[in-house]
Amino acid sequence: GESVGLHLPTLSVQEGDNSIINCAYSNSASDYFIWYKQESGKGPQFIIDIRSNMDKRQGQRVTVLLNKTVKHLSLQIAATQPGDSAVYFCAERRENYGQNFVFGPGTRLSVLP
Amino acid sequence: DTAVSQTPKYLVTQMGNDKSIKCEQNLGHDTMYWYKQDSKKFLKIMFSYNNKELIINETVPNRFSPKSPDKAHLNLHINSLELGDSAVYFCASSHLTGGRTDTQYFGPGTRLTVL
Repeated sequence: GESVGLHLPTLSVQEGDNSIINCAYSNSASDYFIWYKQESGKGPQFIIDIRSNMDKRQGQRVTVLLNKTVKHLSLQIAATQPGDSAVYFCAERRENYGQNFVFGPGTRLSVLP
Repeated sequence: DTAVSQTPKYLVTQMGNDKSIKCEQNLGHDTMYWYKQDSKKFLKIMFSYNNKELIINETVPNRFSPKSPDKAHLNLHINSLELGDSAVYFCASSHLTGGRTDTQYFGPGTRLTVL
């Protein structure tokens, strides 16, 4: 079964700095990964995705890095803004889960003025 | 023009009651889902419906039953509500391509509080 976090990890970043949010996944057969952003009182919102045949993908101010060797995913946010404050989830599409997504425990990003 | 919508946004009810949460998507997706998010923000899938067929059913109590009148709707009915059912419930939808789930799009959530 999935691991359940005892608490929500928090990352505090100064406005204008770069943020790096990390995620470890467990299944080496997972082939597709997504980062979601969840603002308070809202549903998770798609930010960026990456397939297992890639190791880097860039969007607007965001970059996702995939290291399949150590089963690690990261989300980099450039020039972090107050509007970036949210909970960020990584999701992996697992072969042994009916090809459905399993979500990580989430990381809360707080942007300091 | 909301893509995935849920009603109600908030639901407060007494233990033992039966309640339903409705979900609609206008994205033309063929698969819809229900997720439960607990107080620690952990998201866990409950159900998945593809072309009106249940394709996964996680180990949730049988008091929870998804009902899909058509491809654009997946409602969640809960019988005999318990305190532990208090959570935020999210509906989502996606395409299913070659048996694999594509990007899921989420509704705004329904916060259920059982007293």
